[in-house]
Amino acid sequence: VTLLEQNPRWRLVPRGQAVNLRCILKNSQYPWMSWYQQDLQKQLQWLFTLRSPGDKEVKSLPGADYLATRVTDTELRLQVANMSQGRTLYCTCSAGLGGHQDTQYFGPGTRLLVL
Amino acid sequence: QQQVRQSPQSLTVWEGETAILNCSYEDSTFDYFPWYWQFPRESPALLIAIRPVSNKKEDGRFTIFFNKREKKLSLHITDSQPGDSATYFCAASARNYNQGKLIFGQGTKLSIKP
Repeated sequence: VTLLEQNPRWRLVPRGQAVNLRCILKNSQYPWMSWYQQDLQKQLQWLFTLRSPGDKEVKSLPGADYLATRVTDTELRLQVANMSQGRTLYCTCSAGLGGHQDTQYFGPGTRLLVL
Repeated sequence: QQQVRQSPQSLTVWEGETAILNCSYEDSTFDYFPWYWQFPRESPALLIAIRPVSNKKEDGRFTIFFNKREKKLSLHITDSQPGDSATYFCAASARNYNQGKLIFGQGTKLSIKP
């Protein structure tokens, strides 16, 4: 059963251009949504966890700047800017915090390549 | 600072042997340790997880051994199969702060030779 849908699945990004990613939650029983990046060396790194519509956060990491927004109960967005190296962005969801609810499920990912 | 470390970086074992993947951590407040596996061109998927109340968790051929005093874990895969070839990530989180944040190790690439 697919819990998360991500689009686009991949994108070529001209250097200096921003790109917008979407993640759609298919099962409302897993409302805690997060973004992770995976770099070209396969290292996974947490970016954000956003629970409520209207939540927004920004972060700058080596190689990219991020703006995350929880748009609705089922939609999470991520804007990626100033990307200098390719990476894959994963959306995750979990039922809650604590106990067996901690389990995070990964979406299919969006692969970004720099032109 | 790398808070979760994995070794070895890569491992090759013969089919039928036991593969042992190691993980260590620094933060004593971590209270949840999932292992994820990732196949080429796929997203990470939860394999098995453990909490510090236990020192062992078993699921079929996969077993986590946990040593809280030494802050170490290991994943044992018995009777290894070619289909187990993947990259394995050890992760950790602390419920009481940074909720929702999983900290991942660098991964161990496991290859099973038939």
